[in-house]
Amino acid sequence: DAKTTQPNSMESNEEEPVHLPCNHSTISGTDYIHWYRQLPSQGPEYVIHGLTSNVNNRMASLAIAEDRKSSTLILHRATLRDAAVYYCILTGSGDMRFGAGTRLTVKP
Amino acid sequence: DGGITQSPKYLFRKEGQNVTLSCEQNLNHDAMYWYRQDPGQGLRLIYYSQIVNDFQKGDIAEGYSVSREKKESFPLTVTSAQKNPTAFYLCASSSAGQPYYEQYFGPGTRLTVT
Repeated sequence: DAKTTQPNSMESNEEEPVHLPCNHSTISGTDYIHWYRQLPSQGPEYVIHGLTSNVNNRMASLAIAEDRKSSTLILHRATLRDAAVYYCILTGSGDMRFGAGTRLTVKP
Repeated sequence: DGGITQSPKYLFRKEGQNVTLSCEQNLNHDAMYWYRQDPGQGLRLIYYSQIVNDFQKGDIAEGYSVSREKKESFPLTVTSAQKNPTAFYLCASSSAGQPYYEQYFGPGTRLTVT
């Protein structure tokens, strides 16, 4: 599976939108882009995934670049409960490799 | 409620002892996974199973063993051969071992070996 690059940390203010970037320049045509988040001492939680088109669900939106070499997870209105480590993962086979992720801090 | 259970939440063992971590799911998922997480790090894949009676090594399988005798159960044994067993262990499952299915994670077991 191809590697991803994410910033180590980001900060946001409560009730403002957050854009979490992920670079994956070596993505292959069959790789899906998954996002998970993890709160301290808990298992990761699925957020969203996509292949080529932008995706929306109740938690977030996923914007995928036209060349698929980058993607952005969008939280439309950050809350304090959104403070977590966010992982961007590529998988073409179902098994996943998690990097260090982006630690999102939300300020009240 | 459907989900994944891992027990116990905290586990303490003496060095040199084997220990088995439990993972059970009632989601009727075919695929199950074990990950290890060290402080401040991401998850690393230990073993995965896409179907009953079959499993494959992940990136860090040395010192670990698994079995998949039932669809709903995927226990992980941390053997005495694992040099640094103290870690947070996470089990996950998905409908099938395909990239378009999300994984559901259990709450984890924190193992401390002294």
